[in-house]
Amino acid sequence: EPEVTQTPSHQVTQMGQEVILRCVPISNHLYFYWYRQILGQKVEFLVSFYNNEISEKSEIFDDQFSVERPDGSNFTLKIRSTKLEDSAMYFCASSTGTGAVDTQYFGPGTRLTVL
Amino acid sequence: EDQVTQSPEALRLQEGESSSLNCSYTVSGLRGLFWYRQDPGKGPEFLFTLYSAGEEKEKERLKATLTKKESFLHITAPKPEDSATYLCAVPRLKYAGGGNKLTFGTGTQLKVEL
Repeated sequence: EPEVTQTPSHQVTQMGQEVILRCVPISNHLYFYWYRQILGQKVEFLVSFYNNEISEKSEIFDDQFSVERPDGSNFTLKIRSTKLEDSAMYFCASSTGTGAVDTQYFGPGTRLTVL
Repeated sequence: EDQVTQSPEALRLQEGESSSLNCSYTVSGLRGLFWYRQDPGKGPEFLFTLYSAGEEKEKERLKATLTKKESFLHITAPKPEDSATYLCAVPRLKYAGGGNKLTFGTGTQLKVEL
């Protein structure tokens, strides 16, 4: 069964450093998303992406964040200058975009630890 | 702003002891509601989509129902492997089809003991 994959599974970085989190969405999906979950808190939407453009972003997704689809399979989230409060699980998701409301399928996540 | 509230926060059941989890929501024009299962340190795993009040979906020991104000996830004769956090989420429909933000509840942490 096709699934969303993410690398690395765990990333440790120093405050102020740049990190890139990588995702390979399900191959026939057209919409891509990033969510994050701070330990013990809700899963929160960051951004959605379609046709090489951001379609929606949350207040959390400020100028420190960017997303890119550098090739036909990868989808990345870059945090330019990490802060302690960026420590969280980051989940990539993808969906087909068909139907009135389509289902988002999530990857296993990347645990980001900022020291 | 869409709001999703889940109760209870945590639930401990004996194997075989059936129960229900609640998800109540406040949204402008519900177009669907999702249930996910999340194991510790893992991503949400899709379980069900419910589109309209009165709809029911079943999968093994799980049954999800939807009313105009809330959804229930009924667990019948649970087993230890059903232990997980169960999340519900609603989409905010900015666009038809895809690209829509999901608002999640905080989840119900279920523990099923032998």
